Amino acid sequence: NAGVTQTPKFQVLKTGQSMTLQCAQDMNHEYMSWYRQDPGMGLRLIHYSVGAGITDQGEVPNGYNVSRSTTEDFPLRLLSAAPSQTSVYFCASSYGGTANEKLFFGSGTQLSVL
Amino acid sequence: QQQVKQSPQSLIVQKGGISIINCAYENTAFDYFPWYQQFPGKGPALLIAIRPDVSEKKEGRFTISFNKSAKQFSLHIMDSQPGDSATYFCAASKGAYKYIFGTGTRLKVLA
Repeated sequence: NAGVTQTPKFQVLKTGQSMTLQCAQDMNHEYMSWYRQDPGMGLRLIHYSVGAGITDQGEVPNGYNVSRSTTEDFPLRLLSAAPSQTSVYFCASSYGGTANEKLFFGSGTQLSVL
Repeated sequence: QQQVKQSPQSLIVQKGGISIINCAYENTAFDYFPWYQQFPGKGPALLIAIRPDVSEKKEGRFTISFNKSAKQFSLHIMDSQPGDSATYFCAASKGAYKYIFGTGTRLKVLA
């Protein structure tokens, strides 16, 4: 059982470049989300989705776009990368709803923007 | 902005000792308080969680103590082991979707 799969594991971008971080889960989870992890700041929610076709903003959504066309996939797009977006990005999913809040995290994507 | 304040930032404990990590929250609407454990190079994994209708929850060597009136909760690791060395995050949420995480505590257990 793969769980939550993130690709790539590492990425280096130049300022202004665009890219998509991929996230896929095989647990039929309705809820998916993206977090960024920075030293001393913990995990901060970027965007989340409660089902296919439904997305909403988290704490730090600026500079990022998401869409959810299938239950399995939830890609995160950086349209014009900035050095402030250098971070480790985690995708997480859960069944959602009361008593189903447990988040399953992927192994992360380490992104450097030069 | 809603916050969850976590302390200490780092913690060193001898093998067999008790590790204690504290968190405080502001929003009284939060109804779910999990702790996540993260090893280097890995994603966080749920360790233990509590709801505000109970004051304590224990799973093996891990215990959450919850003080609703003080808006504080803490993680206690009894008989700490070198394998417990990791970063620990507290979190809070209203419902299952928008989590606020603490800033993390790096625990090192000395053999």
